[in-house]
Amino acid sequence: GAVVSQHPSRVICKSGTSVKIECRSLDFQATTMFWYRQFPKQSLMLMATSNEGSKATYEQGVEKDKFLINHASLTLSTLTVTSAHPEDSSFYICSARERRTSYEQYFGPGTRLTVT
Amino acid sequence: GQNIDQPTEMTATEGAIVQINCTYQTSGFNGLFWYQQHAGEAPTFLSYNVLDGLEEKGRFSSFLSRSKGYSYLLLKELQMKDSASYLCAVWMDQTGANNLFFGTGTRLTVIP
Repeated sequence: GAVVSQHPSRVICKSGTSVKIECRSLDFQATTMFWYRQFPKQSLMLMATSNEGSKATYEQGVEKDKFLINHASLTLSTLTVTSAHPEDSSFYICSARERRTSYEQYFGPGTRLTVT
Repeated sequence: GQNIDQPTEMTATEGAIVQINCTYQTSGFNGLFWYQQHAGEAPTFLSYNVLDGLEEKGRFSSFLSRSKGYSYLLLKELQMKDSASYLCAVWMDQTGANNLFFGTGTRLTVIP
């Protein structure tokens, strides 16, 4: 099956710094990638959708200047959390879809971000 | 918008059958997914329903009624390893883009 990787799997950073999370589709080209955030014991919340070569579409309540998303190639999307605060500590999960009309969405293993 | 509801927690006995319900109110419905998620891991795909009826896959079955905005996941012959969160997710067409929105998730605990 299709494989999506994320790096790093865990990261600890200090308040005010920025951290970048990478999401890669390893054996397919992802026209669309999604970024989710999951707080403890809660479900996944869609943050934004990114299509290769275009600007990301952010969900209501998600600050686009704080969560920078880049989808520069068909196999890589990055999420940069800028000026991180402790409340940004969460589990960030990306997923990728191969074709825009395909229902199959493959999830990465997630990145645990802790802001101290 | 979307409103997807599931029970927060359920407990069932090993070897038994458990049904996890999901109700939704959405626009632009294109299908409903069930995912399994163990703590600290990414969700893994279980099932996809787009037409009314029951889809069976081994010990897991999923049912959908589009007119009622209702789905359930049925787990048979429960095993201890089935203890996990089960996420109901609706695939919606919003302004031409198909996105997946998740319910609150149901934490299932299987006891001996």
